[in-house]
Amino acid sequence: AQTVTQSQPEMSVQEAETVTLSCTYDTSESNYYLFWYKQPPSRQMILVIRQEAYKQQNATENRFSVNFQKAAKSFSLKISDSQLGDTAMYFCAVQGGSEKLVFGKGTKLTVNP
Amino acid sequence: NAGVTQTPKFQVLKTGQSMTLQCAQDMNHEYMSWYRQDPGMGLRLIHYSVGAGITDQGEVPNGYNVSRSTTEDFPLRLLSAAPSQTSVYFCASSPLGGARWGTGELFFGEGSRLTVL
Repeated sequence: AQTVTQSQPEMSVQEAETVTLSCTYDTSESNYYLFWYKQPPSRQMILVIRQEAYKQQNATENRFSVNFQKAAKSFSLKISDSQLGDTAMYFCAVQGGSEKLVFGKGTKLTVNP
Repeated sequence: NAGVTQTPKFQVLKTGQSMTLQCAQDMNHEYMSWYRQDPGMGLRLIHYSVGAGITDQGEVPNGYNVSRSTTEDFPLRLLSAAPSQTSVYFCASSPLGGARWGTGELFFGEGSRLTVL
């Protein structure tokens, strides 16, 4: 079975600063995908970034980047130059092999002006 | 391009009533799924389907039925609603990648907020 743990239920950051959201996971699959999804107050789930486990290079998408530590089963999300529109729930997720996508419980991020 | 469309967006039911949450996608995705989202619980998989005529249970299937008669549609039925089914429901789809349960990159609907009194 796959599990995802997000240890920070809530976080806050000042506009323009950098924040890192933590995620640890467990899977028995040798190849798997990791994801960060964003859910703003509008409730729409949006894919932020995706990492394939066999790729050593950390994924980046504009201001969003990950720190993927495969041995430690850690997958943190770094948001640089935080903007008010980054205020949202952020969910970490893992999917490998024939397993279904499993989500963590989420981190509520508030960006303060 | 509509993507994944869920209806209704809001619904209030009384205990024991039945209803169907509709989900349709226009991306020709083989994989479709239903999640429920509860505070502090994240998203939990209810049922999923890898193609027309094929459905299976997820983590929390009790009290829910699904069917998949076409590639496009994946309705979720509550046969006898209970207050414990008060939640926000999300339909999501994905293309299948070989023997995998999709690429993992799910495309979500906007969610349906259900309240059972």
